[in-house]
Amino acid sequence: DARVTQTPRHKVTEMGQEVTMRCQPILGHNTVFWYRQTMMQGLELLAYFRNRAPLDDSGMPKDRFSAEMPDATLATLKIQPSEPRDSAVYFCASRRLAGATGELFFGEGSRLTVL
Amino acid sequence: RKEVEQDPGPFNVPEGATVAFNCTYSNSASQSFFWYRQDCRKEPKLLMSVYSSGNEDGRFTAQLNRASQYISLLIRDSKLSDSATYLCVVNMGWEGGGADGLTFGKGTHLIIQP
Repeated sequence: DARVTQTPRHKVTEMGQEVTMRCQPILGHNTVFWYRQTMMQGLELLAYFRNRAPLDDSGMPKDRFSAEMPDATLATLKIQPSEPRDSAVYFCASRRLAGATGELFFGEGSRLTVL
Repeated sequence: RKEVEQDPGPFNVPEGATVAFNCTYSNSASQSFFWYRQDCRKEPKLLMSVYSSGNEDGRFTAQLNRASQYISLLIRDSKLSDSATYLCVVNMGWEGGGADGLTFGKGTHLIIQP
């Protein structure tokens, strides 16, 4: 089964450290999303790309977060420096079609704890 | 007003019962609608799309009411395995802004009790 792959699955780090999360979208999917999920806020969009071009990163704190897609098989989300309030589950998702149709496939998530 | 609103629950329902919950959306120009299911500590997965004419998939029925701007999910003969969080997703089109217009509700937590 084709699936979105995320690493690491779990990460515990100390405040101030750099965190990099990686995502391999499903082959052939041209739209990739980064979401953050917390109990309080639910799923929040951080950034998304179409054909590797960033389309929207308005949900991302620009001073510490950055998202890139160096090639079609890899998307990265970096936090530097990390803070305790960044503790959350970070999901990557991809889809093949733009617009109204096209199921969104999620990775299993990266669970981040910042101490 | 929030764009997509759901009752967070939890809904505690005995096994075998019928349960229904709604999701309201604020943008009347919304184009498509979905229900996703998220199990505890897992990723969301598509449960079903919601069509204008309504649709049914086994024990699950989804309805759309454009006039009142809400969608609903009905689960009949509930099973223990139906326990999960159900996320409402609305696609508001390009006017909805980022993420291809996809907006997620915070989810309704359902607990089926034996």
